[in-house]
Amino acid sequence: DAKTTQPPSMDCAEGRAANLPCNHSTISGNEYVYWYRQIHSQGPQYIIHGLKNNETNEMASLIITEDRKSSTLILPHATLRDTAVYYCIVRREYGNKLVFGAGTILRVKS
Amino acid sequence: EAGVAQSPRYKIIEKRQSVAFWCNPISGHATLYWYQQILGQGPKLLIQFQNNGVVDDSQLPKDRFSAERLKGVDSTLKIQPAKLEDSAVYLCASTRLAGLYEQYFGPGTRLTVT
Repeated sequence: DAKTTQPPSMDCAEGRAANLPCNHSTISGNEYVYWYRQIHSQGPQYIIHGLKNNETNEMASLIITEDRKSSTLILPHATLRDTAVYYCIVRREYGNKLVFGAGTILRVKS
Repeated sequence: EAGVAQSPRYKIIEKRQSVAFWCNPISGHATLYWYQQILGQGPKLLIQFQNNGVVDDSQLPKDRFSAERLKGVDSTLKIQPAKLEDSAVYLCASTRLAGLYEQYFGPGTRLTVT
């Protein structure tokens, strides 16, 4: 599975959009981009995933560049409860493993 | 629907002692995973079960770690003997079918080895 690169930390003002970048320049054609987050003292939680089209659900939007070498997770109106570590993971849709990196610590501030 | 249950939530032991963690996955979930998460790092897969069979245990330190999933439902992970570097959070996750995009994680067991 391809590796990903994320900034170690980011800050965001409450109520503003949080844009979390992820680089995955070695992604293969059959690999998807997944996002999970981990709130303090909890297990990771699935957010969203996509192949090449932009995706949106009740939690977030995922924007994948046309060359698929990078993506951005967007939390449209960040709240204090969105403070967490966000993990960008690349794997085949029915691949077995989730390989987590260090992720991005997002701090939402009032 | 009840989530993934784990116990205990916290455990402190001395090195060379043994310890066991328990996980009860979401009802009907055939695939169960154990992850180890060291402070400041992302979770690392230790072992994956499909029903009561092992699918992947390539990163399980088999000289000291063991896991079982009798009857294909709940699972136990054991460490014997523990080392200082085993201090971590041990997370259990489950999914209805192997490879589905959404794994459901439990709250984890925080192990401290002194």
